[in-house]
Amino acid sequence: GAVVSQHPSRVICKSGTSVKIECRSLDFQATTMFWYRQFPKQSLMLMATSNEGSKATYEQGVEKDKFLINHASLTLSTLTVTSAHPEDSSFYICSARADGGTEAFFGQGTRLTVV
Amino acid sequence: AQKVTQAQTEISVVEKEDVTLDCVYETRDTTYYLFWYKQPPSGELVFLIRRNSFDEQNEISGRYSWNFQKSTSSFNFTITASQVVDSAVYFCALIPNMNRDDKIIFGKGTRLHILP
Repeated sequence: GAVVSQHPSRVICKSGTSVKIECRSLDFQATTMFWYRQFPKQSLMLMATSNEGSKATYEQGVEKDKFLINHASLTLSTLTVTSAHPEDSSFYICSARADGGTEAFFGQGTRLTVV
Repeated sequence: AQKVTQAQTEISVVEKEDVTLDCVYETRDTTYYLFWYKQPPSGELVFLIRRNSFDEQNEISGRYSWNFQKSTSSFNFTITASQVVDSAVYFCALIPNMNRDDKIIFGKGTRLHILP
């Protein structure tokens, strides 16, 4: 299957700082990318959907100013957690889908710890 | 409503036993896709299978098999002769309508423990 690379896999940051997570599709053009958040022992919660070249669509309850998503190219989307706080600590995972594709491929996930 | 229900939160079986993970879905659409993913302790999501709504054939892949029944809106997953390496969280998922923006709807997952 297609490869989606997510970086970094783990990050620890201080409260108040910002963290950027990258999601790259390595061997296909990802028209649509999805960002999920997963709390311990819970399911994946969709945060936002982004289409290349346009603004992301955020799910209800997700702060767009807190979680900045950029999908500037067909192979890269970034999620920036701004002014991170300990409650933002979580596992973040992206997925990417090609135009007309029937499957979304997932990155390896990023475990964010805010101290 | 469009949702996926995995009623089994956690299952423990002894190695070599067979185990079935249940998945029931709801969607208004006639064209949809169903998935199973495995999430091992490392966290990444491993794709296991995709099934479209027009294909009700059951599928077998090694020790894994899937039973798709539209009449009961179920897409159950069976592991035969389970192994310790099968221990993971398994998610059933639905794309209600395959268009450009449609998102994947995940069930809450079933945590499977295979005991040696």
